[in-house]
Amino acid sequence: KAGVTQTPRYLIKTRGQQVTLSCSPISGHRSVSWYQQTPGQGLQFLFEYFSETQRNKGNFPGRFSGRQFSNSRSEMNVSTLELGDSALYLCASSSGLAGGDSDTQYFGPGTRLTVL
Amino acid sequence: AQKVTQAQTEISVVEKEDVTLDCVYETRDTTYYLFWYKQPPSGELVFLIRRNSFDEQNEISGRYSWNFQKSTSSFNFTITASQVVDSAVYFCALSEAGGATNKLIFGTGTLLAVQP
Repeated sequence: KAGVTQTPRYLIKTRGQQVTLSCSPISGHRSVSWYQQTPGQGLQFLFEYFSETQRNKGNFPGRFSGRQFSNSRSEMNVSTLELGDSALYLCASSSGLAGGDSDTQYFGPGTRLTVL
Repeated sequence: AQKVTQAQTEISVVEKEDVTLDCVYETRDTTYYLFWYKQPPSGELVFLIRRNSFDEQNEISGRYSWNFQKSTSSFNFTITASQVVDSAVYFCALSEAGGATNKLIFGTGTLLAVQP
């Protein structure tokens, strides 16, 4: 079974630009979560999507948004990039069991975003 | 509020030594899940174990073992006879159950360096 894939793996942008990152979950998984990893703040939860609906959101500004498609693939978008947005963005997928039981999340390789 | 503390920032051992990585958590939930992930230099988070709050049995998987103690809110991870391939950053994480969310709260990670 193929794992979680993320594209692109590396990205360089300049301040003020916007960026879209893509995540394809493990086949059959319906939940996709996004995390930001920086040396200063560590791993922080951005948001989770399940069946095309945002199920939970972390404490990030509105410049960070996401969506999920009917095939469970997800994208996240960051508008008006700032230097502090430079980070490794990790996507994780899980089965998204009904009833809220916490699934095991499997992570992709990440997209390393550098903002100049 | 939920919180995970990994007090050990870096640990350096010589191959074949045993090493224990500490994890202390805080939560008001009575039902929750605890996880350990490994992050090698490639960046991908690799799932190691998931444990729910009702299961305090210790677990052993090959050279890996986990000690879960609710009384001290700890979920420690021991690697027996460490190998150079064990060198990585290890993260402990916490997630609530029953909240229809997969949000993970991560500790700051412990960098393990195994010297040959």
